[in-house]
Amino acid sequence: AQSVTQPDARVTVSEGASLQLRCKYSYFGTPYLFWYVQYPRQGLQLLLKYYPGDPVVQGVNGFEAEFSKSNSSFHLRKASVHWSDWAVYFCAVSLLPGTGSNRLTFGKGTKFSLIP
Amino acid sequence: AQTIHQWPVAEIKAVGSPLSLGCTIKGKSSPNLYWYWQATGGTLQQLFYSITVGQVESVVQLNLSASRPKDDQFILSTEKLLLSHSGFYLCAWSPGQGNQAPLFGEGTRLSVL
Repeated sequence: AQSVTQPDARVTVSEGASLQLRCKYSYFGTPYLFWYVQYPRQGLQLLLKYYPGDPVVQGVNGFEAEFSKSNSSFHLRKASVHWSDWAVYFCAVSLLPGTGSNRLTFGKGTKFSLIP
Repeated sequence: AQTIHQWPVAEIKAVGSPLSLGCTIKGKSSPNLYWYWQATGGTLQQLFYSITVGQVESVVQLNLSASRPKDDQFILSTEKLLLSHSGFYLCAWSPGQGNQAPLFGEGTRLSVL
């Protein structure tokens, strides 16, 4: 069955440091993958999406992610974080890519915070 | 531009009382619509999805039901709330064709007491 694992429940870095949030997926075939961000008490906002093609995808606010089929991973990166990045980040895989019904399975999320 | 609106923003309800949450999408015809539930501090669990008016598929049974009475409207409801229904309910949409990433509304926070 399709699944997503975010192995780090919490990640903390200093402002200006680089960020990597890990995502591992389990999917038979080539997945469609997404990263969403959730700010406190808000809905989810799409950061970036991967459809089969270039393994490195660019998103909003300086985020990028790299798809690796050999590692079954889709890690999110940012070169230099800012206080505005303090949020929960969710990785998701599409259950039925190519059907037009884009149902998602989400990971448990990674809470990202900055060292004061 | 497309907009998605959920109502109400928040609800406090008693156990055993009925519930109706709504979601409206403007600016897009025949969207796919989805309901997700998020426990406090938890991940998102898909509840229902709909690809057309009058047709709703259930993904997880949580003593909830959903309906799509109009092309741009998706309703989540139950006749009798449980404590376990507390959480954050999110509506999302994606275009009916292609594989665009679902976009989410601002959510409804439900507290069942």
